[in-house]
Amino acid sequence: LAKTTQPISMDSYEGQEVNITCSHNNIATNDYITWYQQFPSQGPRFIIQGYKTKVTNEVASLFIPADRKSSTLSLPRVSLSDTAVYYCLVGMHSGGYQKVTFGTGTKLQVIP
Amino acid sequence: DTAVSQTPKYLVTQMGNDKSIKCEQNLGHDTMYWYKQDSKKFLKIMFSYNNKELIINETVPNRFSPKSPDKAHLNLHINSLELGDSAVYFCASSQNTAEAFFGQGTRLTVV
Repeated sequence: LAKTTQPISMDSYEGQEVNITCSHNNIATNDYITWYQQFPSQGPRFIIQGYKTKVTNEVASLFIPADRKSSTLSLPRVSLSDTAVYYCLVGMHSGGYQKVTFGTGTKLQVIP
Repeated sequence: DTAVSQTPKYLVTQMGNDKSIKCEQNLGHDTMYWYKQDSKKFLKIMFSYNNKELIINETVPNRFSPKSPDKAHLNLHINSLELGDSAVYFCASSQNTAEAFFGQGTRLTVV
């Protein structure tokens, strides 16, 4: 599985856009890029997934350059409730089963 | 209605005991997992279990054994508990996508 590297922590003020970048230099052709959010005392929760270019949903956007060796999670206008740990992971997408491995995560602290 | 539920939420036990954590998913998924999150918050996969095929992570001591009575359940049994087993254990499930659904976790404390 591809190893991921992301900043350990980030601070942001409420209302700002937050971009968290993840490096995955040895991503495989079949790997998808997925981001999860984890609040204290809860299990991780899926945010967004992409393979290339840009993906947007109701909570975030995911930007993936052509070489796919990195990706950026963009959270628009964060609020205090967005304070959490964000995990970037890459994994093989295949019919049958999916094995996901989490990196160290980025602890986002939103400041009032 | 909780998609992935695990019991108990908290478990405090003495060294040397044997304990089990139960997990159930009502999503109809084929694949279930157990993860361990230690005090440093690293989240590491322990096992994945897909349609009766068990994939064992070789870094997991054989004191840990998953048991799946059916596709909707994957229980984790731990023998001879050690202090280092103290952690939060998460159960998860997925179906043919990279999106995994996680339970709320079981905080195991070995004293």
